Amino acid sequence: GDSVTQTEGPVTLSEGTSLTVNCSYETKQYPTLFWYVQYPGEGPQLLFKVPKANEKGSNRGFEATYNKEATSFHLQKASVQESDSAVYYCALDANSGTYQRFGTGTKLQVVP
Amino acid sequence: NTKITQSPRYLILGRANKSLECEQHLGHNAMYWYKQSAEKPPELMFLYNLKQLIRNETVPSRFIPECPDSSKLLLHISAVDPEDSAVYFCASSRRDSSNERLFFGHGTKLSVL
Repeated sequence: GDSVTQTEGPVTLSEGTSLTVNCSYETKQYPTLFWYVQYPGEGPQLLFKVPKANEKGSNRGFEATYNKEATSFHLQKASVQESDSAVYYCALDANSGTYQRFGTGTKLQVVP
Repeated sequence: NTKITQSPRYLILGRANKSLECEQHLGHNAMYWYKQSAEKPPELMFLYNLKQLIRNETVPSRFIPECPDSSKLLLHISAVDPEDSAVYFCASSRRDSSNERLFFGHGTKLSVL
């Protein structure tokens, strides 16, 4: 079945350093890939989605490229801020009438 | 986020029956219940797509969803168990030819005594 694997957290970074959260997926379909962010006490909210292979999504300085050959969708940000502290979920929707599957989540803590 | 409202926000129960409510004001045709246990990702419990129910077969039968109309979703829980302590999120989306983002509510935090 479909699955998503992410960098295991928690990840602690100093403000101003760069972030990479690895995401790998498995599916026999042609999925749309998503990154969601969840702040404490809230539901997950979309960071961005990428429906097509070899395209890049971005929002708020975060970006990820849909790499079909490597089946990866790694999240990157050049310079993190304290306000980026949250849990990040990679998700896929296999475009076959199924539902979105979330990865295990990566908790990011950014310290001053 | 007032586009998806859930009630109640917090619930503390013994072995009782209770219903969670959700309403979306986005005109979406699909609604979902997700369960999120501590330090875990959201896990799909139920999906209503154009009022057709898709069930996660691992969900205990004491959870019964209801979709009275396309904008409302209920989750009836009978005889809660301590393992049911979690945050229950309602979500909605458009489901057509493209895969649309999920919009989540703020969740109902259920604590079972």
